[in-house]
Amino acid sequence: QVQLVESGGGVVQPGRSLRLSCAASGFTFRTYHMHWVRQAPGKGLEWVSFISYDGSDKYYADSVKGRFTISRDTSKSTLYLQINSLRAEDTALYYCARDRAGGSFDYWGQGTLVTVSS
Amino acid sequence: SYVLTQPPSVSVAPGNTARLTCGEDNIGGKNVHWYQQKPGQAPVLVIYSDTDRPPGIPERFSGSNSGTTASLTISGVEAGDEADYYCQVSDSSRDHRVFGGGTKLTVL
Repeated sequence: QVQLVESGGGVVQPGRSLRLSCAASGFTFRTYHMHWVRQAPGKGLEWVSFISYDGSDKYYADSVKGRFTISRDTSKSTLYLQINSLRAEDTALYYCARDRAGGSFDYWGQGTLVTVSS
Repeated sequence: SYVLTQPPSVSVAPGNTARLTCGEDNIGGKNVHWYQQKPGQAPVLVIYSDTDRPPGIPERFSGSNSGTTASLTISGVEAGDEADYYCQVSDSSRDHRVFGGGTKLTVL
């Protein structure tokens, strides 16, 4: 069965960096586009970033562009999100999600919590 | 960029029908997807491409989309349907994805 398991979250000071990981299993990772979506505490869902199946195309929400970098390692079936210059407003549960043809997200991980605090 | 408007809350008695809406100027021209999120859990896709149900989603869940409003309809509402529901579209001009603000469905 499809599984997405995020890791790498934690408490980090403003201005510091963090790398999130999402280990995928149960499907052919190299053939699927992938996304990161975040949810601030008590708030709604916010799309963060997209990477194409082969890593050639990457897109970012305006709120994170220039600070976040999405990448993938097909040999490890793992998706990454490098987060730099962290801000308090980046505090959120970060989900990885698989792209379904047509633009939806058909599988989600359980999320990893990033807390930005001094 | 698109702004999807959802009512913050909807309440319905068990057994009745809940209609959750998602508004945008030309949403009828887009594929709309709906997610259910229960407290402490990841979102679950319940409707994709306006009207289609993923495997395992009950037939009680249905979707429609026309003009300026997309809708998720839940027939015969059960206590277990109490959750937050989010609509979502693709902003094809920028290859972004956009979520609505979410609707909290309360089963009375």
